Amino acid sequence: KAGVTQTPRYLIKTRGQQVTLSCSPISGHRSVSWYQQTPGQGLQFLFEYFSETQRNKGNFPGRFSGRQFSNSRSEMNVSTLELGDSALYLCASSLGHFVYEQYFGPGTRLTVT
Amino acid sequence: GQQVMQIPQYQHVQEGEDFTTYCNSSTTLSNIQWYKQRPGGHPVFLIQLVKSGEVKKQKRLTFQFGEAKKNSSLHITATQTTDVGTYFCAGRPLSSGGGADGLTFGKGTHLIIQP
Repeated sequence: KAGVTQTPRYLIKTRGQQVTLSCSPISGHRSVSWYQQTPGQGLQFLFEYFSETQRNKGNFPGRFSGRQFSNSRSEMNVSTLELGDSALYLCASSLGHFVYEQYFGPGTRLTVT
Repeated sequence: GQQVMQIPQYQHVQEGEDFTTYCNSSTTLSNIQWYKQRPGGHPVFLIQLVKSGEVKKQKRLTFQFGEAKKNSSLHITATQTTDVGTYFCAGRPLSSGGGADGLTFGKGTHLIIQP
């Protein structure tokens, strides 16, 4: 079974631009969560989607948004990029919502200059 | 909001020594999960604990969930070089909303093994 895939793997953007990251979950998984990982703050929860509905949202500004499609694929968007948005963005999929283990993708390394 | 504290932040051990990382939540958890992230890699699920006082073992790894469901620990016996990485705990609060909060990760314990 193929794992979680994320595209692109690396991205360089300038301040003020916007970016869209994509995540394809493991086949059959209906829940997708997004995390931001930085050396200082560790893994921080962004949002979680299940059956195309946002179930939970972390403490991030409104510049961070996401969505999930009917095939469970998910995208997250960051508008008006700031230098502090430079991070590894990880997507994780799970069978269902709440109690299931998460399978992480390789991440997208975003650098904002 | 919910906070999950994990100590120590770094742990240096000699190969063959034991290792323990501790996780404490500010709120009661519905369950706790443990993940391992190798350098340059992504987090990989190790185990999930759900019941109060639960203990689970995976070969040299022993996981415990506290009686109050607010703390957990991971113990590795006789560390090997393959154990190198960062170990994260992650939990969801026991909320009446049945999942109104996302998975909160601790900041992880970096295990460094000296041969």
